[in-house]
Amino acid sequence: EAQVTQNPRYLITVTGKKLTVTCSQNMNHEYMSWYRQDPGLGLRQIYYSMNVEVTDKGDVPEGYKVSRKEKRNFPLILESPSPNQTSLYFCASSLWNRETQYFGPGTRLLVL
Amino acid sequence: QQPVQSPQAVILREGEDAVINCSSSKALYSVHWYRQKHGEAPVFLMILLKGGEQKGHEKISASFNEKKQQSSLYLTASQLSYSGTYFCGTERAYVDSNYQLIWGAGTKLIIKP
Repeated sequence: EAQVTQNPRYLITVTGKKLTVTCSQNMNHEYMSWYRQDPGLGLRQIYYSMNVEVTDKGDVPEGYKVSRKEKRNFPLILESPSPNQTSLYFCASSLWNRETQYFGPGTRLLVL
Repeated sequence: QQPVQSPQAVILREGEDAVINCSSSKALYSVHWYRQKHGEAPVFLMILLKGGEQKGHEKISASFNEKKQQSSLYLTASQLSYSGTYFCGTERAYVDSNYQLIWGAGTKLIIKP
């Protein structure tokens, strides 16, 4: 089954404790992206990747890091989480032309 | 820079029509439309490209006016399953190697029986 998986689905952590949210897709997609979703603000792109070892900043990259060492995986790293990073995070993937992005189920993060 | 969606919310009776607008201050290369139901991930509806045609799928169609930098999503004879929040995502034109997607804040659509 074609899908995008994210782990964990729910995470409660404390300020400053490094964390990683994993994202994996099995569709051989070139384009992968991370979004955060906050009430009233819609989706905001954090980082995207056009292919292995090619990443670029989205709209709100501050406080986040990403890497793309393999085509299927695109982890999101929060080196020192802060309460303003409490949000719902989505990973998505598509072919290189960005048409039809497939979204993962989401990761709900609470930073205390 | 975030595209403006209007209306913010709309309530319809089943069978009525709706139009959702997405307007940008920047020249656009593409407009993407997605629907998100409560507690779920967004799902792709359609994409419109600069220089492309109006698109449609059954009772949902969309248009893209490049000169006005705006797109509209048309839902005709709405069904209960159309309920959800609709988002437009935009990619800017004339910016080399920039594949960033900027999203509107969403339009909440409620369909009543």
